[in-house]
Amino acid sequence: ILNVEQSPQSLHVQEGDSTNFTCSFPSSNFYALHWYRWETAKSPEALFVMTLNGDEKKKGRISATLNTKEGYSYLYIKGSQPEDSATYLCASDKLVFGAGTILRVKS
Amino acid sequence: DGGITQSPKYLFRKEGQNVTLSCEQNLNHDAMYWYRQDPGQGLRLIYYSQIVNDFQKGDIAEGYSVSREKKESFPLTVTSAQKNPTAFYLCASSIARKGTGELFFGEGSRLTVL
Repeated sequence: ILNVEQSPQSLHVQEGDSTNFTCSFPSSNFYALHWYRWETAKSPEALFVMTLNGDEKKKGRISATLNTKEGYSYLYIKGSQPEDSATYLCASDKLVFGAGTILRVKS
Repeated sequence: DGGITQSPKYLFRKEGQNVTLSCEQNLNHDAMYWYRQDPGQGLRLIYYSQIVNDFQKGDIAEGYSVSREKKESFPLTVTSAQKNPTAFYLCASSIARKGTGELFFGEGSRLTVL
């Protein structure tokens, strides 16, 4: 198993704060990097599938960047809202998942 | 609505019994997957199938079996050989071959072995 690591493990922020977290993955034979959001009592939902080095994708207040040469991706949330509270998962194209970052946004 | 349906949502089993978890999708996806989640760990791949009548072992296949007789269905059997079966199980599907398309997940099945 080629490890996918996420940090931090959990994050507590105030409403309105911007935040970011990291996913590191094996850079050899890279093809794609996935980000998912998993809210409590719901199914995980895809945020982004990223394939190109230097790529940046955006969905509303959430954006992600990708560095395939060094093997990391950042997920950014601008102006966090309580509804952003969820576990954020990343996965390699080998479908190996990281343990996730738990985000809690306090109002 | 299109999606993935897992059943049952909760299941209790006595030690030594086999149990089958159902996963059905109406998204017309070729690829389907089973994952297991344990507390504090990421999702771990049990089995995946990229086409009907074909499936491959994932990272933790021991003690599990699957079948893919229909495109829509990918049931997972947790056998008595699985030493620690209590866990949360997620089924997923994707339109593309493994790793290239986003995964669509069901709501999961929680199995507890008594």
